[in-house]
Amino acid sequence: RKEVEQDPGPFNVPEGATVAFNCTYSNSASQSFFWYRQDCRKEPKLLMSVYSSGNEDGRFTAQLNRASQYISLLIRDSKLSDSATYLCVVISRGYTGNQFYFGTGTSLTVIP
Amino acid sequence: ETGVTQTPRHLVMGMTNKKSLKCEQHLGHNAMYWYKQSAKKPLELMFVYSLEERVENNSVPSRFSPECPNSSHLFLHLHTLQPEDSALYLCASSQGSGSGETQYFGPGTRLLVL
Repeated sequence: RKEVEQDPGPFNVPEGATVAFNCTYSNSASQSFFWYRQDCRKEPKLLMSVYSSGNEDGRFTAQLNRASQYISLLIRDSKLSDSATYLCVVISRGYTGNQFYFGTGTSLTVIP
Repeated sequence: ETGVTQTPRHLVMGMTNKKSLKCEQHLGHNAMYWYKQSAKKPLELMFVYSLEERVENNSVPSRFSPECPNSSHLFLHLHTLQPEDSALYLCASSQGSGSGETQYFGPGTRLLVL
């Protein structure tokens, strides 16, 4: 079983729509969670951290469900500029230190 | 943004060549990382350096050799690569290597091995 799994999509949504992505992780002892955004042929950039209590940044809301071992990202009022690949990142404690696990990414295209 | 820079941005090399990728971070961070990103695969962590010591090496082939002379610079020396090593190589840095640290990525070096 993969450490981190994401639905690759693609998700094609109209402008103004609300879209949600989930990411599941296999290690129940995982400690930290992030969402990154990667534009085509560019490097990943941090979008937001994911806290147990859930957190919101403008149109973006991230949530963590430890019982079911998944994190989610909700985007409200989608903009054309939201089109990108969204990567979830899970940090787990390994034998020699912290292991960073990346999902394969979920592709989002916002259509005019 | 110039927090983490990488050179060269593109590299084409033959299987017998020796080349080096360079990464420099201007953020005052103590940890640096090399990642490989291949098409349709998740990012693979290759090496982690924390306070200039290698912390993890995830069984990367010996044809990849990292070097971290100080906390701001990281190199990846390439020797007798294979075509399947063609990928985007990303450098990242973070304040520490502990849980919860945010990583900042460089623009990457797109490598093609012929």
